[in-house]
Amino acid sequence: LAKITQPISMDSYEGQEVNITCSHNNIATNDYITWYQQFPSQGPRFIIQGYKTKVTNEVASLFIPADRKSSTLSLPRVSLSDTAVYYCLVGAVARQLTFGSGTQLTVLP
Amino acid sequence: DVKVTQSSRYLVKRTGEKVFLECVQDMDHENMFWYRQDPGLGLRLIYFSYDVKMKEKGDIPEGYSVSREKKERFSLILESASTNQTSMYLCASSVGTANTEAFFGQGTRLTVV
Repeated sequence: LAKITQPISMDSYEGQEVNITCSHNNIATNDYITWYQQFPSQGPRFIIQGYKTKVTNEVASLFIPADRKSSTLSLPRVSLSDTAVYYCLVGAVARQLTFGSGTQLTVLP
Repeated sequence: DVKVTQSSRYLVKRTGEKVFLECVQDMDHENMFWYRQDPGLGLRLIYFSYDVKMKEKGDIPEGYSVSREKKERFSLILESASTNQTSMYLCASSVGTANTEAFFGQGTRLTVV
């Protein structure tokens, strides 16, 4: 299983772009990189998934370098409602995903 | 929208009771999961099912069993509840065999006294 390292917490201000970097040095060839968001007292919510290069959807962008040993989740112009825990996961299928402690993002006014 | 519904948001049970946690999904997903979430430990997979009547143990199956008699319903059973099973329980579902997008329910906060 890939060992995941991501910051425990980050603070940002409303309107700023937030980048959360995750390292996964021993990612396997078949693994995807997936990010989830979790608000207090709710289940996690899928944000984005990628294999290599860059993926963008209506919520976020995911940047993956060629060696795939790290990835960066980019949230454009965050608001207070983006305050949540963000999980970086690697795996080929959903049942292989291991949720660590995630990154607590706090958006300040 | 995919909906994963867990039968209770909050549950209080006594030590030794048999406890059933129910989960229903409405998107015809093949895969269903049960996790527990504890502070500092993240989400840990208890059991996984990839088809009706099929199940696989996750990382922490001890003290739990599951039942999947219908595709849309996945039940987690605590045979004899203990205080160390006090936790937030999360059900999820996903489609297909090469997919990392799972849809989670709201969770059941179980307290065993």
